[in-house]
Amino acid sequence: AQSVTQLGSHVSVSEGALVLLRCNYSSSVPPYLFWYVQYPNQGLQLLLKYTSAATLVKGINGFEAEFKKSETSFHLTKPSAHMSDAAEYFCAVTSAAGNKLTFGGGTRVLVKP
Amino acid sequence: GAVVSQHPSWVICKSGTSVKIECRSLDFQATTMFWYRQFPKQSLMLMATSNEGSKATYEQGVEKDKFLINHASLTLSTLTVTSAHPEDSSFYICSATTEGTTGELFFGEGSRLTVL
Repeated sequence: AQSVTQLGSHVSVSEGALVLLRCNYSSSVPPYLFWYVQYPNQGLQLLLKYTSAATLVKGINGFEAEFKKSETSFHLTKPSAHMSDAAEYFCAVTSAAGNKLTFGGGTRVLVKP
Repeated sequence: GAVVSQHPSWVICKSGTSVKIECRSLDFQATTMFWYRQFPKQSLMLMATSNEGSKATYEQGVEKDKFLINHASLTLSTLTVTSAHPEDSSFYICSATTEGTTGELFFGEGSRLTVL
């Protein structure tokens, strides 16, 4: 069984400040990990993914995430928040290519001017 | 590449009627499609997994007769909400995957269903 926990359902940051979204996972087998972003009334867009290669993964829009096996974490960061980063972010895990994803509860990011 | 399109984006129907939502992979062959349901301000809940040409696999607690899923081709899956009731109102999202994508899912834009 797999599970994903996202700490903090809401995060508020100032424009230009660091964005840090936390994700911890549980998996009995080596995981594939993903971060998706969702804008209002839209589907999900892939930000980045970890598939057992480099532990530091760079994605789109300046986001990156680091896989830490010892901490079972895959936290998402962006050095400088932009107003356009305001959205809902979901961390997800799967155990093998093509298997169904298990999503975390999501974190809504608010960016203050 | 890897575009998934859902139609309609918005649908309003009367209680007791049936509604069909289409999910198409526009530029790739989707060996597997997934249907999710998302309530306001909540995460995605997997409803079912469908493979082309075979019956869908439903998650526990999802009514098979209420949510009919058909995956007749490698580019099209449909979700039909039968005899819809107000509690079926939700945001429905499909996703698709194909071989060689290391687990990545490609998501449709979502379909918002409102049952009056």
